[in-house]
Amino acid sequence: GGIITQTPKFLIGQEGQKLTLKCQQNFNHDTMYWYRQDSGKGLRLIYYSITENDLQKGDLSEGYDASREKKSSFSLTVTSAQKNEMAVFLCASSIEASNSGNTLYFGEGSRLIVV
Amino acid sequence: GDSVTQKQGQVTLSEDDFLFINCTYSTTTYPTLFWYVQYPGQGPQLLLKVTTANNKGISRGFEATYDKGTTSFHLQKASVQESDSAVYFCALVEGSGYNKLTFGKGTVLLVSP
Repeated sequence: GGIITQTPKFLIGQEGQKLTLKCQQNFNHDTMYWYRQDSGKGLRLIYYSITENDLQKGDLSEGYDASREKKSSFSLTVTSAQKNEMAVFLCASSIEASNSGNTLYFGEGSRLIVV
Repeated sequence: GDSVTQKQGQVTLSEDDFLFINCTYSTTTYPTLFWYVQYPGQGPQLLLKVTTANNKGISRGFEATYDKGTTSFHLQKASVQESDSAVYFCALVEGSGYNKLTFGKGTVLLVSP
């Protein structure tokens, strides 16, 4: 089995600050994802990456940047934190992108708090 | 675009009650349908998935049938336990292209002993 590790578990920043969340996976999966979870709104896709150095925008990419410099890691940057962005950010991976229906494996999430 | 609707924000039951969580979907493709479950303090994990219309997925006592006619994928369990308390997400992915899942808003299940 493998694991998805998200750091930090809690990220506290000030309004307007640039903040970065990190994700590592040891499944050797090709595809990685960042989802945002807001209470009552489900999970919404921010960015995904089908391989190293690839980036694809999801439905909620505005205000975020992402980076996939290695196959095992995928980071997400909030370019200017706002109080209405306080949410849980979930990283996930799947074995490959092209075969739809592959299982997503999620990390435990990182909670963003903006003060 | 694709969408998934879960009408129930929260379901409250007692142990041994029957569970029904509503899920309907909208897509122009032939999707794969999923149920993910999220326990407190954890990320979502796959509960079951069905790739073919009219088939049923079964896992850990839960079941859901891919009903193409009514575009539904309701989740059922005959007898819930307190340990089933969690958030349940219905999701779909298009039949072709990248593995991008669209999730519903989630249904919180609370089971009292």
